[in-house]
Amino acid sequence: DADVTQTPRNRITKTGKRIMLECSQTKGHDRMYWYRQDPGLGLRLIYYSFDVKDINKGEISDGYSVSRQAQAKFSLSLESAIPNQTALYFCATSDSFGATQYFGPGTRLTVL
Amino acid sequence: QKEVEQNSGPLSVPEGAIASLNCTYSDRVSQSFFWYRQYSGKSPELIMSIYSNGDKEDGRFTAQLNKASQYVSLLIRDSQPSDSATYLCAVNVGPGSARQLTFGSGTQLTVLP
Repeated sequence: DADVTQTPRNRITKTGKRIMLECSQTKGHDRMYWYRQDPGLGLRLIYYSFDVKDINKGEISDGYSVSRQAQAKFSLSLESAIPNQTALYFCATSDSFGATQYFGPGTRLTVL
Repeated sequence: QKEVEQNSGPLSVPEGAIASLNCTYSDRVSQSFFWYRQYSGKSPELIMSIYSNGDKEDGRFTAQLNKASQYVSLLIRDSQPSDSATYLCAVNVGPGSARQLTFGSGTQLTVLP
């Protein structure tokens, strides 16, 4: 089984809808991250969490919120989806500051 | 100036050649440097990490770090068609506990058979 899983893998939704992307990990890592990837722009950090009680905004947090339900689970929500949130979303984990990050398989989100 | 910049691609090399991928960064106190490979539609996977000046070799891959010049590179020897992918440079940037990995926009490599 994969160490970092994301659900759903693909999602098409409409403008204004609320949507949640979920991430689970079995690596036992404390740190979890949400990124989005757009063509030609690389990976941009949305939110990150160092433990269950620690949530931090990243470079592009506007329009997003997160919840760290447990050490192993980190969810990303779009409260009211808009078309420019169409992107590939990745969850990642790491075991210490600056250490290697391990990525989930990604969620391809399309907002119509 | 972007915090992490990679040489613009796409880059094409013939099979068996050396592919050279370059990355510069702006934060002088960065300590951790990573190269990830990403196949189209897939997630990034770590190829190399490097923390000290000099070269680090792993099979056909060599990472080179020069902190004085704020430069990190990845050499792929004996390039294979299976090496065709986008290569992402990642660097720890930012102050204190807020330090995070910042990714370059990637260089797309094509190895021609």
